Amino acid sequence: EVQLLESGGGLVQPGGSLRLSCAASGFTFSSYGMSWVRQAPGKGLEWVAAISGSGGITYYADSVRGRFTISRDNFNNMVHLQMSSLRAEDTAAYYCAKAEWELRVPFDYWGQGTLVTVSS
Amino acid sequence: QSVLTQPPSASGTPGQRVTISCSGTTSNIESNYVYWYQQLPGTAPKLLIYRSNQRPSGVPDRFSGSKSGTSASLAISGLRSEDEADYYCAAWDDSLSGVVFGGGTKLTVL
Repeated sequence: EVQLLESGGGLVQPGGSLRLSCAASGFTFSSYGMSWVRQAPGKGLEWVAAISGSGGITYYADSVRGRFTISRDNFNNMVHLQMSSLRAEDTAAYYCAKAEWELRVPFDYWGQGTLVTVSS
Repeated sequence: QSVLTQPPSASGTPGQRVTISCSGTTSNIESNYVYWYQQLPGTAPKLLIYRSNQRPSGVPDRFSGSKSGTSASLAISGLRSEDEADYYCAAWDDSLSGVVFGGGTKLTVL
């Protein structure tokens, strides 16, 4: 059974940093791309970043490029999102999601989400 | 403003058939598979349709997907009260190099 478990969310001041983590199990982790997707309160879904199975290819939404970094640890089946220069508009539930097939496709499994609140 | 365009709301009565549209461009829907998700309040999205018209195991055959050109649609037949949720379409966008979503459609079962 595929499981994705996010952690690391919380309250952070504007301009601050936070690192989200996602522990994956139930599939051959290194064979699949992984993404982070966020959802602001009462709003729709917004893709944030993606990383290939090997970790050698990354993609970012324009809204976070240069501030967020996605990475993965295939030994420990983890994917991370390092967020810096955080803004109020980054406040959202952040979901870890597994690509349905290789990298450049949407997702078949999602974690339960972790909430990030950027506020002073 | 979402890259993919969905109606903000849809409704139907129990037993009815409803469709939700998703409009895109040549760089996303026309070139790539479309995925559909159901999101119940307070929960993570759940995959309903993948590769434009495939249903994961466990998803009732009341749900079906189709794609033509730059548009896609999700059809729900035999509408039930538990289908009341938000529905999102998604696709990879070759120009933006990322996954793009529709703005979501809130389905109400009257």
